[in-house]
Amino acid sequence: ETGVTQTPRHLVMGMTNKKSLKCEQHLGHNAMYWYKQSAKKPLELMFVYNFKEQTENNSVPSRFSPECPNSSHLFLHLHTLQPEDSALYLCASSRLLADTQYFGPGTRLTVL
Amino acid sequence: GENVEQHPSTLSVQEGDSAVIKCTYSDSASNYFPWYKQELGKRPQLIIDIRSNVGEKKDQRIAVTLNKTAKHFSLHITETQPEDSAVYFCAASNDFGNEKLTFGTGTRLTIIP
Repeated sequence: ETGVTQTPRHLVMGMTNKKSLKCEQHLGHNAMYWYKQSAKKPLELMFVYNFKEQTENNSVPSRFSPECPNSSHLFLHLHTLQPEDSALYLCASSRLLADTQYFGPGTRLTVL
Repeated sequence: GENVEQHPSTLSVQEGDSAVIKCTYSDSASNYFPWYKQELGKRPQLIIDIRSNVGEKKDQRIAVTLNKTAKHFSLHITETQPEDSAVYFCAASNDFGNEKLTFGTGTRLTIIP
């Protein structure tokens, strides 16, 4: 699959579990993003990475921990989540920060 | 930072009629304005974009207009079809300042057959 990929596509986890979401882009982009999408907030920016450096954290709770080992990969480590964290988590990438963003298919997360 | 407001949040249109979604932005330095379409169960995808050096851009049944003075831009869909039903997001950025895209809050468009 080309473009932006995300794994897993679906994840069910208990509140005490630890899991990770993975995003990979095959577009040669330099910026990557995590978004949370729910009925309450259609597109909520969580984190921004530019050339592997975190440039934005939108007051995200510490139970979400991002990691960007290189410009092609982005992870979101999850631990002790709450049921209200259930949502679709979208990854996106862009060549530069101001450019068009390309989205992955998302991970549908359910926290029990 | 940039702030983008989008209206309406929901819109229902009879098939064949036109739909218009409007966005306003706060940063006068913003110069790039893309629109995304997200169909049910799918990812947001770019459908059209405009830069501040033009006032209007068309692609078949969709068009985007930009009013830099008023700091607003709009998406126009003509001769709507059922497959136009989706959530639409506007966005704005300043590529001279390399500021990231800021998205609007989305419009759920429903085409009534």
